[in-house]
Amino acid sequence: KNQVEQSPQSLIILEGKNCTLQCNYTVSPFSNLRWYKQDTGRGPVSLTIMTFSENTKSNGRYTATLDADTKQSSLHITASQLSDSASYICVVRDSTLGRLYFGRGTQLTVWP
Amino acid sequence: DTEVTQTPKHLVMGMTNKKSLKCEQHMGHRAMYWYKQKAKKPPELMFVYSYEKLSINESVPSRFSPECPNSSLLNLHLHALQPEDSALYLCASSLGIQETQYFGPGTRLLVL
Repeated sequence: KNQVEQSPQSLIILEGKNCTLQCNYTVSPFSNLRWYKQDTGRGPVSLTIMTFSENTKSNGRYTATLDADTKQSSLHITASQLSDSASYICVVRDSTLGRLYFGRGTQLTVWP
Repeated sequence: DTEVTQTPKHLVMGMTNKKSLKCEQHMGHRAMYWYKQKAKKPPELMFVYSYEKLSINESVPSRFSPECPNSSLLNLHLHALQPEDSALYLCASSLGIQETQYFGPGTRLLVL
């Protein structure tokens, strides 16, 4: 069964600290993996997209990694800001029907 | 224009009402999507339109009726909804079915 699991479910950190969010998936055959940021009551916004051959990709203070062999991805946030408080959703696409599989998200709260 | 817009932002309706949600994009995207998202849950795919034709219906109850009048517009007609249909309804679009989906801000629906 195609699944996307994220951990932790929620996370609280102090402003300026770093954090890492995890995503494990069983989606096969794999096409790509995206990390989205979703503010409360808003639509998700794409942060990074990674294909099978990419191990790491950065977007400002966000760095995503992908290990296609172990089917794991991480999102590292550096020097967190209050505006980073949001839900971070891992989304994996299969390469047959192009269907998206969403993780439940990690709710990140950054405290001043 | 590089965004997906949705109207209204908020909607309160009774179970006997008929209402419509609207979604618009002017990015030349040929695929458009409706998602339903309950609190603290990931978005659930409802419908996919490709080149103005319905290509995926995820067994959505008939009280939800999608319509794609042209390549820039996507509507979701609502009739005889239930309180459990209260949720954030997200519209997304992509250049093609396999491309990155860009989400709108959503319509927060409350059914009384």
